[in-house]
Amino acid sequence: NAGVTQTPKFQVLKTGQSMTLQCAQDMNHEYMSWYRQDPGMGLRLIHYSVGAGITDQGEVPNGYNVSRSTTEDFPLRLLSAAPSQTSVYFCASSPRAERSYNEQFFGPGTRLTVL
Amino acid sequence: GDSVTQMEGPVTLSEEAFLTINCTYTATGYPSLFWYVQYPGEGLQLLLKATKADDKGSNKGFEATYRKETTSFHLEKGSVQVSDSAVYFCALSGQIILTGGGNKLTFGTGTQLKVEL
Repeated sequence: NAGVTQTPKFQVLKTGQSMTLQCAQDMNHEYMSWYRQDPGMGLRLIHYSVGAGITDQGEVPNGYNVSRSTTEDFPLRLLSAAPSQTSVYFCASSPRAERSYNEQFFGPGTRLTVL
Repeated sequence: GDSVTQMEGPVTLSEEAFLTINCTYTATGYPSLFWYVQYPGEGLQLLLKATKADDKGSNKGFEATYRKETTSFHLEKGSVQVSDSAVYFCALSGQIILTGGGNKLTFGTGTQLKVEL
């Protein structure tokens, strides 16, 4: 198993550009989520999905879109990049959405810089 | 809403020293509690967890006990090594919202640990 994979590893954008951060997992996990990590703020939830076709907003969803057409993939779209979106982005997955004790498995992260 | 507070870093220790990283939480109901570790340049990985009051999670010499009376989940290790240098995150997973709220984690801000020879 590759676990949770993310691409690209690094990305530099100009303000106003759009892009998609890719996330895939091969563990048949039901639950997937996106977090951003900023200095002094820990990780904050952007969007999450409890299964294919079902997504919902987290704590900081503005400026981001998601979709979940398959169990494996959960891409994060930046619609019009802003410098405030400079951050490290982590995708995570977990076996069952309704089990709060489940471990979440994290990808290696994407470091995004918006100029 | 749910929140997690953990001690500020960075923490610098000598090898074989005793480690404590404090973590307290605020949550409704009975959350599960976690410690995740992030090594340089990597994603987070689960270090240990506890799912109910008085449970003790342990792994790789690290321990933490779920204390409901003090709403705490402090991380301890009796003798740290240079290889333990990393950022440590305390997190909780709250009760599931019936509308499909899922398995959402609330994180603390992280504590950087540096262990020197």
